[in-house]
Parts: sequence; C-alpha cells; structure tokens
Amino acid sequence: EADIYQTPRYLVIGTGKKITLECSQTMGHDKMYWYQQDPGMELHLIHYSYGVNSTEKGDLSSESTVSRIRTEHFPLTLESARPSHTSQYLCASSGFGEQFFGPGTRLTVL
Amino acid sequence: GENVEQHPSTLSVQEGDSAVIKCTYSDSASNYFPWYKQELGKRPQLIIDIRSNVGEKKDQRIAVTLNKTAKHFSLHITETQPEDSAVYFCAAQSNTGNQFYFGTGTSLTVIP
Repeated sequence: EADIYQTPRYLVIGTGKKITLECSQTMGHDKMYWYQQDPGMELHLIHYSYGVNSTEKGDLSSESTVSRIRTEHFPLTLESARPSHTSQYLCASSGFGEQFFGPGTRLTVL
Repeated sequence: GENVEQHPSTLSVQEGDSAVIKCTYSDSASNYFPWYKQELGKRPQLIIDIRSNVGEKKDQRIAVTLNKTAKHFSLHITETQPEDSAVYFCAAQSNTGNQFYFGTGTSLTVIP
C-alpha cells in the first residue's frame, strides 16, 4: 500500500547531538516536505523539495539541513539538537495536488 | 507570499448541530484549497478539497465553499458527531504548485 514512512517514531536525545530523521514515501510523488508541529498547533514549514537534487528553505530552516538524492527519500538532519527542538516532525509528500502526511517523529531534547 | 487566516481557533457545538470554519487567503493566484482533520496524536488527514474552478463541493456530512472574489473558503460539517472532535486545518496551494500555506487550526469539540 502506498504510504509515507518515518523513523524513528519517538526519539529522546541530549543537547548537542546530531540527529537525522528519516522519511520515505511509496506514493510516487515528486514533492516532499518537512513540518514542525507542537501538539494541536499550527504547522511550520522547515524545508521542501520539488524533485531530486532540489531543496528549498521554509520558515524554520536555519538549524537543519535536508537532502534529496532519491525521489522516495527525504531525510532531515539537525546538526546540534537543543531543547527548543522538542516537537513533532511531520514529513509529507504531494503529486499534482493532494498532500499526504507521514505518522510523525516525536523528538524530545533534554 | 500567501497568507492564510483561519477562524475560529476553538469551536464547541452540541451533537447534531452544524459547525462552520472559515479561512481567508491573500494570493489570488492560489488555486487549490484542501482541508485536513487531525485527531489527537495522529497525522493530519485530508478530508475534502476544492479547486478554484468550483464554488462548492460536498461529501456526505462535510462540504466546502469557495468565494474567489472575496478570497475566502469555508468548511461546513452538518449533523456533528463526537468523532468529529479534532483540530481542523485549512490550506492554500501556491500558484507554482510547490508549497502549501496552512491556517493556524480550529479545535472543534462536539459535546454529546
């Protein structure tokens, strides 16, 4: 079944650690996105990509990087995690319209 | 860029009543407007969408209306049920088709 997969689903790490959140999709979509969302609150765009080797910054991009080497894979890296990064991270993809979301990674930085 | 505003931020209705959530957008070139429902602890799920060449779309108890002239669109839920309780987000897609702009969400509570 076509879907969006995120790993890990939960992560607790210490301040200063480098982490990579994985996202892969079997939707066949060209466009992929990363959002940060506190529970029940608004979605903040971190990065997006409209195809292989293309990445664009969103509103919260300054402390993270992404890569898009393969169509189906769009990992997000935090170079140095801080307590302010504690949140839920949602990966999404879209084709010619509809955007679908992955299950999210809940990150806690101590 | 596009700016999407959503109201109200919270909404409580009695079971069986109707609920209406309204959004406005700023970029007249936006042409696709989805609505998402997010239950507690779960991912946002697309529930209905509308394109700019259509004024209204209905799917069972939910409907969306679009007024391009006024640049606003609304979600209507009729005969509300407790399982409709969730946070609802509206969005507008940019004219390039690459980016989605989200409203700030409406927390709907349906009281049994």
